[in-house]
Amino acid sequence: EAQVTQNPRYLITVTGKKLTVTCSQNMNHEYMSWYRQDPGLGLRQIYYSMNVEVTDKGDVPEGYKVSRKEKRNFPLILESPSPNQTSLYFCASSRLGDGEQYFGPGTRLTVT
Amino acid sequence: GNSVTQMEGPVTLSEEAFLTINCTYTATGYPSLFWYVQYPGEGLQLLLKATKADDKGSNKGFEATYRKETTSFHLEKGSVQVSDSAVYFCALSEGTGNQFYFGTGTSLTVIP
Repeated sequence: EAQVTQNPRYLITVTGKKLTVTCSQNMNHEYMSWYRQDPGLGLRQIYYSMNVEVTDKGDVPEGYKVSRKEKRNFPLILESPSPNQTSLYFCASSRLGDGEQYFGPGTRLTVT
Repeated sequence: GNSVTQMEGPVTLSEEAFLTINCTYTATGYPSLFWYVQYPGEGLQLLLKATKADDKGSNKGFEATYRKETTSFHLEKGSVQVSDSAVYFCALSEGTGNQFYFGTGTSLTVIP
């Protein structure tokens, strides 16, 4: 089954404790992206990647890092999480330039 | 810069009513336009898209026409069903198709 998986689905952590949210897709898509969803703000793009070792900033990259060492994986790293990063995070993938993104189920992160 | 503005919800309709959700955009180039739908507890799914002016996207009874003169991409459905209850997001991707901008989402509830 074609899918995007994210782990963990739920995470509660404390300020400053480094964490990684994993994202994996099995569709051989070149393009992958991370979004955060906040009430009243919709989805905002954090980072995206057009292929292995190619990443670029979206609208809200501050406080986040990503890497793309393999085509199927695109982890999101929070080196020093802060409470304003409490949010619902989605990973997505697509063929390059297609626009039809496949979204993962989401990761709900709470930073206290 | 690029942005998407969509009508605020929530919207509540009776089954078989006509649906319109307004979406307007600001873009520096010639964007592609999308409607995504998010069912409760799930990630977003592409509903329809249009890649150039006057294109009409359609799927599952939903339609939207890319209107360059009014910078709009309004979502319509002639007869909604209870199963259409979800949050609907309008989105655009700029020319290279790599950066995405989403609206704030419109929650639709259809009552029997």
